[in-house]
Amino acid sequence: AQTVTQSQPEMSVQEAETVTLSCTYDTSESDYYLFWYKQPPSRQMILVIRQEAYKQQNATENRFSVNFQKAAKSFSLKISDSQLGDAAMYFCAYRRTRNRDDKIIFGKGTRLHILP
Amino acid sequence: EAGVTQFPSHSVIEKGQTVTLRCDPISGHDNLYWYRRVMGKEIKFLLHFVKESKQDESGMPNNRFLAERTGGTYSTLKVQPAELEDSGVYFCASSPNSGPNTGELFFGEGSRLTVL
Repeated sequence: AQTVTQSQPEMSVQEAETVTLSCTYDTSESDYYLFWYKQPPSRQMILVIRQEAYKQQNATENRFSVNFQKAAKSFSLKISDSQLGDAAMYFCAYRRTRNRDDKIIFGKGTRLHILP
Repeated sequence: EAGVTQFPSHSVIEKGQTVTLRCDPISGHDNLYWYRRVMGKEIKFLLHFVKESKQDESGMPNNRFLAERTGGTYSTLKVQPAELEDSGVYFCASSPNSGPNTGELFFGEGSRLTVL
């Protein structure tokens, strides 16, 4: 069975600093999607960044980037120049295929605190 | 364009009572998912509709849970009778079956259920 593991329940970072959130997953598939979703307090969960497993290049979205290590089944999220608005729960997620109707599996989440 | 909306945002009921949660997906999204997050645990998949059909209901915990999506528009998730362990946040998400296949799910804000 596919699983997603986030080993850091909570993390804190000083504003303007860089923080890395860890995620590992287990799968026997070769072509899949990985995601990081963000849920601010009392707000909807939104997609931060995604990575297609067949792409070797790490995805980046402005201050957010990932370190995708396919062999190690690791998918960490780096947030540069942390801002107060980055405070949220971050969920690592996995979808085993590129089929539109396949479900997404989530980890337990990491609560990120930004210290002013 | 309206996002995914869920109602109620918070429900407090006694053990043994019935609760019905509603989800209105983004207009035109064929895929509708229900997820649940119990405090401190992962966001767990419950089921997936494609239009009005149940594509995958492997995550439904037991027969006290009944999900419907009549007409392929909004969906309801009924819990009857509710038990203490049903407490948690129930998320609804939707995605389209046309357009760019980004794999992204669009989430509602969730319905928090507290069973006393």
